[in-house]
This record gives sequence, structure tokens and C-alpha cells, in this order.
Amino acid sequence: KAGVTQTPRYLIKTRGQQVTLSCSPISGHRSVSWYQQTPGQGLQFLFEYFSETQRNKGNFPGRFSGRQFSNSRSEMNVSTLELGDSALYLCASSPLQGSYGYTFGSGTRLTVV
Amino acid sequence: QQQVKQSPQSLIVQKGGISIINCAYENTAFDYFPWYQQFPGKGPALLIAIRPDVSEKKEGRFTISFNKSAKQFSLHIMDSQPGDSATYFCAASNSGSARQLTFGSGTQLTVLP
Repeated sequence: KAGVTQTPRYLIKTRGQQVTLSCSPISGHRSVSWYQQTPGQGLQFLFEYFSETQRNKGNFPGRFSGRQFSNSRSEMNVSTLELGDSALYLCASSPLQGSYGYTFGSGTRLTVV
Repeated sequence: QQQVKQSPQSLIVQKGGISIINCAYENTAFDYFPWYQQFPGKGPALLIAIRPDVSEKKEGRFTISFNKSAKQFSLHIMDSQPGDSATYFCAASNSGSARQLTFGSGTQLTVLP
């Protein structure tokens, strides 16, 4: 059974640009959550999607957005990039909304220069 | 009130020793307490988890001890091995359908051969 797949693995962007990250959940998993990991702030929840709807959102500015497609694949977008957005962005999938079993992908390492 | 405090920040243990990592929380709405293990370049992987109606859970060399009245929980790694060297995160999840994981700050464990 394939795990959570995140693409790309590494990304370098310039301040002010926008970026889109992709996540393919484990087959059969319908809930996708996104987390940001930085040395200073640690692991922080961004948002959760289930059935193509955002169900929960963390304390991040509106520049961070996401969506989920009918096949449960998810994308997150960050607009007007800032240096502080440099982080490892992790996607986690679980079978259902609100279920306990989260499986994380290996993440996308975003560097903003 | 959403914070999960983790200690120590780093831990060095001899092979065969016991590694102990502690976490404390404030939010009594948390009802699920997982521990994650993260290796460099990888996403966090679920190690073991506990619900608050249980005081201890053991899986192989890994044990969670949970003290509901003190709002504290800890991870014990028995017979620590060099392959256990990784960063460990405690986390807590709120009850209800809009779940999100609130993570501790992480513990860098080094097991010396």
C-alpha cells in the first residue's frame, strides 16, 4: 500500500511569488491535513480537508489556502511568499474526518529567497 | 491553553539504557495523545498513542504513561538502541470532528553505541 506522496520534495521560490504543493493521500483515505514545520515554531496545523471541504483551519494568514479534489488529492497554495514561509510542509492523511490515525508524508521543503 | 510542553529538548542515552521524554498539557478537551518519531528527511511516523481512560500502554520497547489528574504523559523507550536516534514529538488532539494535532516542541534523542 503506497504511503502519502508529496510533490515536489524541494522547492526554491523568490519573495512575492506564489507556490502550490501537492499531496496524494493513502488510497481510501478521505481526510487530508496540512502542517508547517519550522525550527522556531515546530509543527503547526494549517488546515484539514474532507470531502472537498475545508473542515478546520489553524492560525495562519489568508495567504495560505488549500483545496481537495474528488479523488481526495489535495493542494495547498501560498501566495505573496515571505522569507518566514521557508519550512517543511507536511501532509497527513487519515481514513475519515476526525479519525485518529494520521499518516504523514515526507514533506515538501520550501525555501524562500 | 492549546499548548503542549515537552522536555527535555535533547537527550543522550547509552545503548541499552532507558530514554524518558515528558509532556504536559493544559486543555482538558484533549482526548488522544500520540507520540511521533521523525528521522531526518522524513515526515513524523506514529509510534504509539493513548487515550485518557488508560494510564499506561506498552508496545514492544515503547511505553506511554499517562497521568490524567496531573495532565502529564511520558514516553519510555526501554533497551534504547542506536537506531532509535531520532526526534520524538508528543502531541495531543482535541475531541470532536474538527480534529487537529497540537505538537510538543520535540526531543532530539541520541543513543550512543
